[in-house]
Amino acid sequence: DAKTTQPTSMDCAEGRAANLPCNHSTISGNEYVYWYRQIHSQGPQYIIHGLKNNETNEMASLIITEDRKSSTLILPHATLRDTAVYYCIVRVVDYQLIWGAGTKLIIKP
Amino acid sequence: SQTIHQWPATLVQPVGSPLSLECTVEGTSNPNLYWYRQAAGRGLQLLFYSVGIGQISSEVPQNLSASRPQDRQFILSSKKLLLSDSGFYLCAWSGTLPLEQYFGPGTRLTVT
Repeated sequence: DAKTTQPTSMDCAEGRAANLPCNHSTISGNEYVYWYRQIHSQGPQYIIHGLKNNETNEMASLIITEDRKSSTLILPHATLRDTAVYYCIVRVVDYQLIWGAGTKLIIKP
Repeated sequence: SQTIHQWPATLVQPVGSPLSLECTVEGTSNPNLYWYRQAAGRGLQLLFYSVGIGQISSEVPQNLSASRPQDRQFILSSKKLLLSDSGFYLCAWSGTLPLEQYFGPGTRLTVT
């Protein structure tokens, strides 16, 4: 059980912001929210993580609701190279990330 | 900065042959190390992880084994490959919590 719910797939126009939602209603107080992505035929790539506060780095922004039951990953200006499967992960067991099915994001020109 | 190396990039091996995949990490000390496998069109399956030299935890019983002879070296081995061992093998490293995992480029293994 990955403890997260994500849409199976999403489309976004190139140049627009891509907003990827994730529900994690059973998250515990000390569990982080992690986002990774996997571009076709490549290994997964770490994007960002957060605990309570919103976070931003050079790749994306992470918005976590005040009750921590959901979050949104924002890619501010999506490019074709952002087409990938995006994984939201909250469950960690013995240093292992528990991966779900993710959201397939397709950026359209 | 930290770098993770994996080789070879692709490998074609006959059934029953041995396997050795190597992963090394640079720029960090005492990392957690992981071996994953991904079958075509499927999700990631954790095979082994290690929190220190000589410490290996196995997640999936199979004909694969892992070793960590040095702090930043992780090796995946098999004495006799099966057809079902075909897949994309990924090595990753992380610190302790929070678990930012960084993945290598992967080895695409085809067992024929």
